[in-house]
Amino acid sequence: QVQLVQSGAEVKKPGASVKVSCKASGYTFTSYGISWVRQAPGQGLEWMGWISAYNGNTNYAQKLQGRVTMTTDTSTSTAYMELRSLRSDDTAVYYCARSVDVFDYWGQGTLVTVSS
Amino acid sequence: QSALTQPASVSGSPGQSITISCTGTSSDVGGYNYVSWYQQHPGKAPKLMIYDVSNRPSGVSNRFSGSKSGNTASLTISGLQAEDEADYYCSSYTSSSTLEGVFGGGTKLTVL
Repeated sequence: QVQLVQSGAEVKKPGASVKVSCKASGYTFTSYGISWVRQAPGQGLEWMGWISAYNGNTNYAQKLQGRVTMTTDTSTSTAYMELRSLRSDDTAVYYCARSVDVFDYWGQGTLVTVSS
Repeated sequence: QSALTQPASVSGSPGQSITISCTGTSSDVGGYNYVSWYQQHPGKAPKLMIYDVSNRPSGVSNRFSGSKSGNTASLTISGLQAEDEADYYCSSYTSSSTLEGVFGGGTKLTVL
């Protein structure tokens, strides 16, 4: 069965960086993309960007351009999302989701807390 | 601000039917048959309920159905059950180069 397992919760200070991992299993990793979606406390879903696991092509949300980098390691079927220059409003649960025009399987989420 | 507009809340009694709307533009909902709906219970990851406007993934109850008319997509839940109480989000493919607001703002469904 398809599973996406994310890394554990993180606490970071403002200005720091965080890197969240998403290990995929149960399907051919390079046949799908991975999207990253975040959800601030009490808020809705916010699409952050997408990476093709086939060729590494990326597309990032305009508001995060320059602060976010998405990568994949096809040898371990793992996707990564790094967010730099963290601010308090980056505090959120970060999800990875398998995607080809639809987000059909989701990771369990990773809480990232940004606090001084 | 999301590019797709949903009502903030809807409610219904057990056994009733409710419909949640998702309004976009001809650049997203109206232009493509790639609307999907997600259910999210508190503290849980979203779950795909409907894709490509009206298709249900394996395992999703047939009480959930989707449709589209013009720039507005709809999710209908019939025979409401207590377990349906959750947040629901729509999403659509968009031809916008920025891909901003690919999700609706979400609708809180309360089962009375």
